[in-house]
Amino acid sequence: AQSVTQLDSQVPVFEEAPVELRCNYSSSVSVYLFWYVQYPNQGLQLLLKYLSGSTLVKGINGFEAEFNKSQTSFHLRKPSVHISDTAEYFCAVSEIEYGNKLVFGAGTILRVKS
Amino acid sequence: DVKVTQSSRYLVKRTGEKVFLECVQDMDHENMFWYRQDPGLGLRLIYFSYDVKMKEKGDIPEGYSVSREKKERFSLILESASTNQTSMYLCASSLSGSGEGSYNEQFFGPGTRLTVL
Repeated sequence: AQSVTQLDSQVPVFEEAPVELRCNYSSSVSVYLFWYVQYPNQGLQLLLKYLSGSTLVKGINGFEAEFNKSQTSFHLRKPSVHISDTAEYFCAVSEIEYGNKLVFGAGTILRVKS
Repeated sequence: DVKVTQSSRYLVKRTGEKVFLECVQDMDHENMFWYRQDPGLGLRLIYFSYDVKMKEKGDIPEGYSVSREKKERFSLILESASTNQTSMYLCASSLSGSGEGSYNEQFFGPGTRLTVL
């Protein structure tokens, strides 16, 4: 069975600063990896995904993530954050054989301060 | 645009009541999912359905049941609500895979925040 660990429950950062949200996963088989974002009082929205190919994945709103198989990590980065990036971010994994079943991490709340 | 709607944004019920949470999607998706979201625990899968009248248990099915009589609608039922079922409930839908290794994005509804008193 897979599991996902998001290493930080909250990340405060000033506007225009860079940010990294960390995600590690555990699985005995090959996986797909995802980052979702949840803005206040809304459902989840897919930010980016890694299915195969290049390990550097670019998503919406200037976010990117890098898949590191040896470290079983999929950290999310943005070089310069905005107030509007304040949200909760979830890392998720699915086994390739069962691409439609997601296992989520506990979430990281990103608070962007002015 | 894919649209997943949930019948209520906020719901308050009493212990022991039977509770129905409704989810409707308008994109003819085969798969539908019910998740529970709790602080510090992320989202956990309660049940999912890959076709009309078909269902499979997720990771935390105890205390819940589901119904899918029509393709577009997936209901979550709490037969006898308890205070530990106070939570945010999220519904999602996706197309079905076209074979092993296929992936289709899950689209989420806005959630129903259920409080059981």
